Amino acid sequence: NAGVTQTPKFRVLKTGQSMTLLCAQDMNHEYMYWYRQDPGMGLRLIHYSVGEGTTAKGEVPDGYNVSRLKKQNFLLGLESAAPSQTSVYFCASSSRRAGTGELFFGEGSRLTVL
Amino acid sequence: ILNVEQSPQSLHVQEGDSTNFTCSFPSSNFYALHWYRWETAKSPEALFVMTLNGDEKKKGRISATLNTKEGYSYLYIKGSQPEDSATYLCAVNYGGSQGNLIFGKGTKLSVKP
Repeated sequence: NAGVTQTPKFRVLKTGQSMTLLCAQDMNHEYMYWYRQDPGMGLRLIHYSVGEGTTAKGEVPDGYNVSRLKKQNFLLGLESAAPSQTSVYFCASSSRRAGTGELFFGEGSRLTVL
Repeated sequence: ILNVEQSPQSLHVQEGDSTNFTCSFPSSNFYALHWYRWETAKSPEALFVMTLNGDEKKKGRISATLNTKEGYSYLYIKGSQPEDSATYLCAVNYGGSQGNLIFGKGTKLSVKP
């Protein structure tokens, strides 16, 4: 039962470097989400997707890009990493929109930007 | 700004104690409320999704109630066990069927044997 899988689990970047986080789900869910978790704050939505080929901005989208070329995958990209993007990133998916559909989360990806 | 407030921030109880904590939110435009359980080094897992005023849901020793008119939900744990130690997250959707969730900061529960 893989569920939602995130890679990599840990990454250290230098300011200005780029990287991509991969989220894969095997539950055939339409909806996928990227959140960030920072100390003292609730999970904040970065971007989300309501189906293959679609993406939309969440609460804190600046500095990130996303793509959903395949239904099972949702990629989060940082084109030019900044120290403010040091965070733990969580991917989630749901069969219905988050309003009524429970989210299934990955185990998180810890990113440090030096 | 729509805020979801959870209290207390942290809680320490003895094994066998029953406990409860609160999620407060602006009641206007409420659509749905979620509770998640998040153990350290694991991913958050859904406990309940609640939509109707007066809803009560139960899963084993954990139950939740919802009051949408006054804007709060309670999560109860009966007879706490060490394995209940986790952070409990509340999240609210105000955007209708196409809305997204706004998360609270969580209540961290520690249960001592």
